[in-house]
Amino acid sequence: SAVISQKPSRDICQRGTSLTIQCQVDSQVTMMFWYRQQPGQSLTLIATANQGSEATYESGFVIDKFPISRPNLTFSTLTVSNMSPEDSSIYLCSGRAYGELFFGEGSRLTVL
Amino acid sequence: EDKVVQSPLSLVVHEGDTVTLNCSYEVTNFRSLLWYKQEKKAPTFLFMLTSSGIEKKSGRLSSILDKKELSSILNITATQTGDSAIYLCAVEVYQGAQKLVFGQGTRLTINP
Repeated sequence: SAVISQKPSRDICQRGTSLTIQCQVDSQVTMMFWYRQQPGQSLTLIATANQGSEATYESGFVIDKFPISRPNLTFSTLTVSNMSPEDSSIYLCSGRAYGELFFGEGSRLTVL
Repeated sequence: EDKVVQSPLSLVVHEGDTVTLNCSYEVTNFRSLLWYKQEKKAPTFLFMLTSSGIEKKSGRLSSILDKKELSSILNITATQTGDSAIYLCAVEVYQGAQKLVFGQGTRLTINP
């Protein structure tokens, strides 16, 4: 199995600021994804992080709000820009390896 | 629009009981169905099902897919308090790229 490390694990942020979440996988993965899980909700795919090119965003999510980088096969970042209280959520990185999809521990963001 | 629906949304049973969780889906370009257990933040992988009628088993947990009925069940026998978690069903689809569509989850509580 693959191990995915995410940081920060949690943060409290002020409205209007931006925060970057990092995701590191211990082995090369073919695909990496970013999900959001709002309180009491299930996981919603934000985007697929593509190595060396722009991420592919799902409906309702845009690059200006959630810029994503993936400079190599084992690392990706998600930035939550100009945060508002509605962005309070758990953000999860995942990677596909060995035919399975593994998740990081998640980053719990609270926006005041 | 791809949709995955789980039932029940919440279930409370006593230790030792057997539970059955349901997942139904309505998607285009079905690839596989996955079950995850989420206790704190990161979902952990349980099963991936691609073929109809073949049961997958791991200890007290088992799952089966019915492609004709577009559904799957997850069974847990002789439940223990450590089984308390949110169980997520996700369907892998192909829309130019592979992605997962998650259901709302079933919150399972096992009382001693």
